Amino acid sequence: ETGVTQSPTHLIKTRGQQVTLRCSSQSGHNTVSWYQQALGQGPQFIFQYYREEENGRGNFPPRFSGLQFPNYSSELNVNALELDDSALYLCASSSTSGRAGGTDTQYFGPGTRLTVL
Amino acid sequence: QKEVEQNSGPLSVPEGAIASLNCTYSDRGSQSFFWYRQYSGKSPELIMSIYSNGDKEDGRFTAQLNKASQYVSLLIRDSQPSDSATYLCAVNMISGGYNKLIFGAGTRLAVHP
Repeated sequence: ETGVTQSPTHLIKTRGQQVTLRCSSQSGHNTVSWYQQALGQGPQFIFQYYREEENGRGNFPPRFSGLQFPNYSSELNVNALELDDSALYLCASSSTSGRAGGTDTQYFGPGTRLTVL
Repeated sequence: QKEVEQNSGPLSVPEGAIASLNCTYSDRGSQSFFWYRQYSGKSPELIMSIYSNGDKEDGRFTAQLNKASQYVSLLIRDSQPSDSATYLCAVNMISGGYNKLIFGAGTRLAVHP
């Protein structure tokens, strides 16, 4: 196990609702990245948090937002849920200087399975 | 062209054989490459990382990198049924001053007794 934890494990919501997913990073790690993995696809980068700020963002709309706390844990919030938001949401932690380059290795938590009805 | 491409499979090999998984990527500036294994319903688990051209061996696994050809591969020797999983190739790309992992869609490996 990686030491990265996520909650909840599973979640069922209806279209239009809002959801908050949580992640605790591995001890010693200061960066959290969030990914969405639809069935049969590879994980897609949503955004990354470093020092409590969004450090980069993938091609996801603004209704996907996040936070990072002083203890490096993180939240992913999704507003106005759509059916296509049904996926496995993965959190990955790493230890980084926050600058581009380097060889940051990311370790994944167990994921949260979100189903939108 | 996708940023990271893998054959979706399934790749079927007999127990004890060598499984060869391949991946190509588009960003010539990428410096870090990773292989993750993902069992059905579980999260990705890091198997190997490679940063320099050539081979890197870890137990039954060997990662190979050729930056000139923008090609990464993973060899699994003495394949076991427990190796049956989806293998994800991930490339660390630098974008806007930060690192992000770009994944292929994964290759499904089936090892049959």
